Amino acid sequence: GNSVTQMEGPVTLSEEAFLTINCTYTATGYPSLFWYVQYPGEGLQLLLKATKADDKGSNKGFEATYRKETTSFHLEKGSVQVSDSAVYFCALSLANAGGTSYGKLTFGQGTILTVHP
Amino acid sequence: EAGVAQSPRYKIIEKRQSVAFWCNPISGHATLYWYQQILGQGPKLLIQFQNNGVVDDSQLPKDRFSAERLKGVDSTLKIQPAKLEDSAVYLCASSLSRYQETQYFGPGTRLLVL
Repeated sequence: GNSVTQMEGPVTLSEEAFLTINCTYTATGYPSLFWYVQYPGEGLQLLLKATKADDKGSNKGFEATYRKETTSFHLEKGSVQVSDSAVYFCALSLANAGGTSYGKLTFGQGTILTVHP
Repeated sequence: EAGVAQSPRYKIIEKRQSVAFWCNPISGHATLYWYQQILGQGPKLLIQFQNNGVVDDSQLPKDRFSAERLKGVDSTLKIQPAKLEDSAVYLCASSLSRYQETQYFGPGTRLLVL
């Protein structure tokens, strides 16, 4: 079946440190890949996405590259801020060969990020 | 543009009681999803609606869970009777269509079953 595995957390960093959160996936067909973020007390928000191999998604200084050869979609940021403290979820949805999504999201277990001043 | 609305935000019940959650998606969004998020895990899809029809309910425990979206707008998820393992956050999300990848999530309803 389809699944997403994230690195074990939580992750604690100092402000301005480099962030990597690992994500690997198993999927049949043509998955699109996502990172969602959940700030304290808020709902899940889409952070970035990539729909095909070698695509790079980026937003708010975060980046992730869709690596089909390693079935990975690792999240990176060069310099984290205290305001980046949140729970980060990697997710996938399947699509057909033409890239049309089937909608349903399969999530990883989430990684808690805490950034200290 | 108003986001996805959910109520109540919190609910505490005893096992074997029933409970219902309500969701109002973003206006114009045809597809509505209910996810269950158990503490320490990622959300898991329970049911997906396209307008008032069910697209996927393969992971919905149908012996105790039910959901409806009668007029293709707001939706209700019910648990009857509740079990201890139903304690979780229930998330509602919506998208323009089932083929539109970006889903918008509500704040969730946190359920505690004692």
